[in-house]
Amino acid sequence: AQTVTQSQPEMSVQEAETVTLSCTYDTSESNYYLFWYKQPPSRQMILVIRQEAYKQQNATENRFSVNFQKAAKSFSLKISDSQLGDTAMYFCASLISNFGNEKLTFGTGTRLTIIP
Amino acid sequence: NAGVMQNPRHLVRRRGQEARLRCSPMKGHSHVYWYRQLPEEGLKFMVYLQKENIIDESGMPKERFSAEFPKEGPSILRIQQVVRGDSAAYFCASSPGLGPYFGPGTRLLVL
Repeated sequence: AQTVTQSQPEMSVQEAETVTLSCTYDTSESNYYLFWYKQPPSRQMILVIRQEAYKQQNATENRFSVNFQKAAKSFSLKISDSQLGDTAMYFCASLISNFGNEKLTFGTGTRLTIIP
Repeated sequence: NAGVMQNPRHLVRRRGQEARLRCSPMKGHSHVYWYRQLPEEGLKFMVYLQKENIIDESGMPKERFSAEFPKEGPSILRIQQVVRGDSAAYFCASSPGLGPYFGPGTRLLVL
């Protein structure tokens, strides 16, 4: 069974600052994927960034980057130069692609508020 | 290329009625997933379907809930005899895509 833990229920940061959201996971599989999804007030689930476990290089997408520590089973999200539009719930998720079954396991989320 | 479509976006039902939620996956996607999000919680997997087949229903409640993905038309999540505890946002996602792409969700409110 997979578990995903987000230990920060809420965070806030001043606009333009950098913030890091933490996530730990547990899996016995060797091949898996990790994701960060953003859920703004519209409630739409938006894929922010994806990391393949077999890749050592940390994924980046513009202002978003991850710190993937495989041995520690840690997958944190760093948001640089934070903007007001980054205010949202952020969910960490893991996926084991098992015969095409891309079932995601989500953490409980971190509510991020960017302060003007 | 339209994204994942869900309708209705909002649904109000009285206790004991039936709720039908529809999901049309992205063009070219043959896998559909349903997730439920209770207020202030993360998304919980319910069921994974391919055309005419239920592949994984390990997250589905044993009673009142059913899902289908017919050869033609959208996937349907059906909740019979709804109760207040069914009030939630129901999200559909489609793949392949690594990771799945989500629709906008259906907010179900049971009065």
